Amino acid sequence: SAVISQKPSRDICQRGTSLTIQCQVDSQVTMMFWYRQQPGQSLTLIATANQGSEATYESGFVIDKFPISRPNLTFSTLTVSNMSPEDSSIYLCSVAGQGAVGYTFGSGTRLTVV
Amino acid sequence: DAKTTQPPSMDCAEGRAANLPCNHSTISGNEYVYWYRQIHSQGPQYIIHGLKNNETNEMASLIITEDRKSSTLILPHATLRDTAVYYCIVLAGGTSYGKLTFGQGTILTVHP
Repeated sequence: SAVISQKPSRDICQRGTSLTIQCQVDSQVTMMFWYRQQPGQSLTLIATANQGSEATYESGFVIDKFPISRPNLTFSTLTVSNMSPEDSSIYLCSVAGQGAVGYTFGSGTRLTVV
Repeated sequence: DAKTTQPPSMDCAEGRAANLPCNHSTISGNEYVYWYRQIHSQGPQYIIHGLKNNETNEMASLIITEDRKSSTLILPHATLRDTAVYYCIVLAGGTSYGKLTFGQGTILTVHP
């Protein structure tokens, strides 16, 4: 299965600022996914990132708040813009497996907004 | 994708089998059952998946009922490191190109 490197692992940010999270995969993958996990909650899909096209956002998430880049088949970034304390969460990237192996997740970025 | 229902929490003694149930009564013919777990502060980890036949790998066994409306994940000899949130997810196609939708999962606590 793919190996994902996600950076930063954690950060503490001031409200009103933006943070860009990077996700690097050790192999080429078609689809990458970004999730948010609020404290004590399950994972919620933010968007699906395909190389060469605009990301597809889930209901309740918008591009202005969570812009995503996918410049090639091994890399993606998620930016959390104009942050507020409500954005304090763990953000995770994921990629689909080869064949039917399953999905692989990064170790997550723990974001605290103060 | 079909909705799943899992008990919010379960306990298991170390060394015993942990049997985690999942109901997916609206599952369609082309939908697979996937199981993931999330150990505290880590990303979810793939465990196993299946369509209709029972499956076994080095981590666990998956038992799917004949009508496919429910399944059970079995950890044959639970250890303290198996304490985690376990998610049962139904996904069409089984080719890992769909979207994983996570429910609340089952918090499994393995105690000495």
